[in-house]
Amino acid sequence: DAGVIQSPRHEVTEMGQEVTLRCKPISGHDYLFWYRQTMMRGLELLIYFNNNVPIDDSGMPEDRFSAKMPNASFSTLKIQPSEPRDSAVYFCASSRTPGGGIYEQYFGPGTRLTVT
Amino acid sequence: GDSVTQMEGPVTLSEEAFLTINCTYTATGYPSLFWYVQYPGEGLQLLLKATKADDKGSNKGFEATYRKETTSFHLEKGSVQVSDSAVYFCALSGVRGSTLGRLYFGRGTQLTVWP
Repeated sequence: DAGVIQSPRHEVTEMGQEVTLRCKPISGHDYLFWYRQTMMRGLELLIYFNNNVPIDDSGMPEDRFSAKMPNASFSTLKIQPSEPRDSAVYFCASSRTPGGGIYEQYFGPGTRLTVT
Repeated sequence: GDSVTQMEGPVTLSEEAFLTINCTYTATGYPSLFWYVQYPGEGLQLLLKATKADDKGSNKGFEATYRKETTSFHLEKGSVQVSDSAVYFCALSGVRGSTLGRLYFGRGTQLTVWP
């Protein structure tokens, strides 16, 4: 089975440009998570969805960040305009509502974003 | 709120040494507990899990026991290898309605094993 798919794997852009990160969760999973990882702040949860509906976006740093999940197999995280401090690795993860109550998350390989 | 505190790194060991990475948690209810591992340049992977008190999770020679009395879930391995060099994350699952489905991660502990 394919795991969580993220694209692009690397993105280099200039300050002020719009950046769109993409994620395809594992088929059948009903939860999708966006994380950001930096040396300074570690792993931060930005937003997560359940059945395509945003449940908690309190981790989104500011209005420049937005996320959508138009259907069960696709999500985007958009940064507009981008700033150098947005440079980080962005991970997408998915999980399935379990019968036994154990929510295991499966992570994608990440998108390394560099804003110059 | 729910949270995880894990041992600050980095941890540096020689091959075949014993490893312990401490993890304690704060939670309402009875969360499931996890250890994830992140190898360089990769996403996090589930290493092991435990769902209730006194459960022991194990995988690839790593073990951790869910200790409710001490709210701990320490990761151990009897003999580490160079290939175990990675960042290790302790995590717990939300159990309340508003947090169901999410995981709370610790800061991560960098482990480096020298030959």
